[in-house]
Amino acid sequence: NAGVTQTPKFRVLKTGQSMTLLCAQDMNHEYMYWYRQDPGMGLRLIHYSVGEGTTAKGEVPDGYNVSRLKKQNFLLGLESAAPSQTSVYFCATSSFAGHTGELFFGEGSRLTVL
Amino acid sequence: GQNIDQPTEMTATEGAIVQINCTYQTSGFNGLFWYQQHAGEAPTFLSYNVLDGLEEKGRFSSFLSRSKGYSYLLLKELQMKDSASYLCAAMDSNYQLIWGAGTKLIIKP
Repeated sequence: NAGVTQTPKFRVLKTGQSMTLLCAQDMNHEYMYWYRQDPGMGLRLIHYSVGEGTTAKGEVPDGYNVSRLKKQNFLLGLESAAPSQTSVYFCATSSFAGHTGELFFGEGSRLTVL
Repeated sequence: GQNIDQPTEMTATEGAIVQINCTYQTSGFNGLFWYQQHAGEAPTFLSYNVLDGLEEKGRFSSFLSRSKGYSYLLLKELQMKDSASYLCAAMDSNYQLIWGAGTKLIIKP
C-alpha cells in the first residue's frame, strides 16, 4: 500500500504560472485535506473535502482551487502563482473527519515561486 | 481568537527525559493531538487526548488538563532518532484542527 502519494515532490514556478498538485490515496478514506507549512507557523488548512464531489474552504483558501472528482484523488490548483505561495504543501486523509481519527499525510510537495 | 503556544526549540541529552509543553485556546474543544515530524518529512501521529489525564504509549506519554488548556508530551529514554519537530494541535468545536508552530527537539549525545 502506498498510503498517500503526492505529485510532484518539487516544483519551481514563475510568477503568474499555473500548476496542479495531485494527491492520491489508497486508504479508502472519505476525508481529504490540503495544508501548507511555512517556517515558524503551524500547518494551515487550505481546502478540504468530506467526500467525492465535495469541497470546502479552509483557513487560507485564496489563490487556490480544488477538485475531488474521484474519492481517491484530491487536486490542488494554483491558477496564477505568487511568491507568497512558496511553501511546502501537504495532503492528508482521515477516516472520521479528524473526529478522534488521526491524519495520514503525504510526503509533501515543495513549491517555489520566483 | 484561537491559539496554540509551544516552545520553539528544546535541547536534551540522549537517554534523558524531556517534556514539551503546549497551551491552547480554542472555541470549544474536541481533543488534543501530538504529531512528530522529522526534517523534510511528513508529520506522523503520536497521540490523541480528549479526557484529562495521562496516556502512556511506550516511551512517549501525553497529558491533558482541559481546565487549564494545557497539554504536554513526555519522551523518556531519549534516542538520537527522537530528534524532530513535535506538533501540538487542538480540535475546536467545528472539528477543525488548530496547529502550533512546532517544537524542534535537538538530542545531544
